[in-house]
Amino acid sequence: QKEVEQNSGPLSVPEGAIASLNCTYSDRGSQSFFWYRQYSGKSPELIMFIYSNGDKEDGRFTAQLNKASQYVSLLIRDSQPSDSATYLCAVNRGYGNNRLAFGKGNQVVVIP
Amino acid sequence: EPEVTQTPSHQVTQMGQEVILRCVPISNHLYFYWYRQILGQKVEFLVSFYNNEISEKSEIFDDQFSVERPDGSNFTLKIRSTKLEDSAMYFCATRDRGYEQYFGPGTRLTVT
Repeated sequence: QKEVEQNSGPLSVPEGAIASLNCTYSDRGSQSFFWYRQYSGKSPELIMFIYSNGDKEDGRFTAQLNKASQYVSLLIRDSQPSDSATYLCAVNRGYGNNRLAFGKGNQVVVIP
Repeated sequence: EPEVTQTPSHQVTQMGQEVILRCVPISNHLYFYWYRQILGQKVEFLVSFYNNEISEKSEIFDDQFSVERPDGSNFTLKIRSTKLEDSAMYFCATRDRGYEQYFGPGTRLTVT
């Protein structure tokens, strides 16, 4: 079983629509959860992090965490062409074991 | 806004040669990491470093790899005898006492 799974294929959304991305993880000891955005040929850029069950909103981004079901999701509202990128889900166990385990990523294409 | 910097941006080397990749962490950050990303694949953890010693390493980080913080500002990754399969993007990441890791722009290593 993969540690972090992002199974959806490329996601095409019209400009102004909501993009929804999902991620599941296998380690129940995981404590903190991150979404990174990666443009082609560039490094991962942190856009959201969440530690507690529920929703966390930051601008057009909302992260949702459900530890019982072991999934974390990202919503991008009012999608813009500049949101076209690969979104990486990353998980770590928190204090004392800080490595990030990444999923393969989901490509998002926002169509003007 | 403070950033992680990495040099060089691109390194081409011949198989069997030694390479040193350099990172300058954000100034008040205490925890340092190296990750790599082979083209088209997910970001993989290599090693974490805190208080001048390795705190965790992955199975990828074998005896040909080493890290050090030689002068209190740079954080380096040395690959002693490069192989073709070491060709990848290498990212340095750093964090302070929180859990959020911030990535540098990366070094593209090409082994020929």
